[in-house]
This record gives sequence, C-alpha cells and structure tokens, in this order.
Amino acid sequence: GAVVSQHPSWVICKSGTSVKIECRSLDFQATTMFWYRQFPKQSLMLMATSNEGSKATYEQGVEKDKFLINHASLTLSTLTVTSAHPEDSSFYICSADRPVGAFFGQGTRLTVV
Amino acid sequence: QQQVKQSPQSLIVQKGGISIINCAYENTAFDYFPWYQQFPGKGPALLIAIRPDVSEKKEGRFTISFNKSAKQFSLHIMDSQPGDSATYFCAASRTNDYKLSFGAGTTVTVRA
Repeated sequence: GAVVSQHPSWVICKSGTSVKIECRSLDFQATTMFWYRQFPKQSLMLMATSNEGSKATYEQGVEKDKFLINHASLTLSTLTVTSAHPEDSSFYICSADRPVGAFFGQGTRLTVV
Repeated sequence: QQQVKQSPQSLIVQKGGISIINCAYENTAFDYFPWYQQFPGKGPALLIAIRPDVSEKKEGRFTISFNKSAKQFSLHIMDSQPGDSATYFCAASRTNDYKLSFGAGTTVTVRA
C-alpha cells in the first residue's frame, strides 16, 4: 500500500528557533500534499495545501510566514516552523492522496520549550 | 464552522459487541466519505470509505452505512476487539479538491 513517511517523529526545540519537518511519499509521486495540526484529544485541522512546484495554499488563520511550506519534488514536502514558541507545540501530520484515499504520515510531535 | 458533525464523543463497548459512530454533513457537494482510525501518537490510518452512489459498504468487521437524503453516514464495528480501541474520525471531501473536513472524533474503548 501507499506509504507516507514523516521525519522526525518528535522534536524538542528552544523558543525562537526554527524546526523543519519532512514528509515523503515513498512509493508514489504526490503533486499535492496536505499539512494538518492536531491538539491533544482534538480533531485534525488543515493548515495548508502543498503544491509541487508552486506556492502552498494556506487555510484561513494560518500564518504563512510562520509555517513555511516547500514542495520541491514530487515525493517531498517540508514544513518549517519559524521562530517557534510554546504555543506552536502540537502534533503535525502530513498526508498525500491516492485514488483510494488520503494516506497520512506517522506525525511529528513538536515541543517548544 | 465544523462541516462534519460526529457523535458520540466516546463510547465503551464489551468485547464482541457492536460499536456505532454517527456523522452528519451539510455540504451537498461532498462526494467522498472516509473513516480513519488513529492510535495515540500515530497518524490516522484509512479504514474504509464510501461514495454516495452506494448505501452500504462492508470490509471485514467494518461497515459504512450511508443515507444521502438525510446527509448522514455511520460506521459499525462488528465483533469489537480490544485492539479496536482507538479514536475514529469520519471525514468528507469533494473529489475535485481532496481537502478533507474531519469530524471531532470518537474514542472507542473495548473492554475485554
């Protein structure tokens, strides 16, 4: 089946630093990937749509200068959380679509201290 | 504004019992309705999905029932097992943009 891999699985960073999260489609090419954010015991909230070779499309209320998305190839999208603060601590998940449905990465737990 | 409403928030079922989770949507443009299973600290995994041209779809112990006129769909987990204990999310999207709108989630606990 389709596999989407995220790296790292968890990261702890100091307030004010930037963190990059990678999302790879391992056995297929994905022109579109999605980035979600999930708070504890809550649902997934779509942050942005990552488009290969073009700018990402951000959902209302998501700061595009804080959450930088780059989709430089058909198998890799990256999310960079810039100048991270404790309120950015969350579970970040990416997904990519296949004809049978969306497949999600294993998620990245970001903790900003 | 949540486009997909899911209930209950949590449920407890005995091993071998049936778990039932319900979802309702408003946007009639939605034409794809998947269910996802999520374990703590993991990403969601696609469980089963349905399109409006069928009223029911079954895969193993999991069945989706779909009522287009009522704009409702539900997940039935038959013969529930302790390993089914997880959070389940319903979702909906339009085929032409693939953006998923998720329900709030249901935490299922299966007691042995």
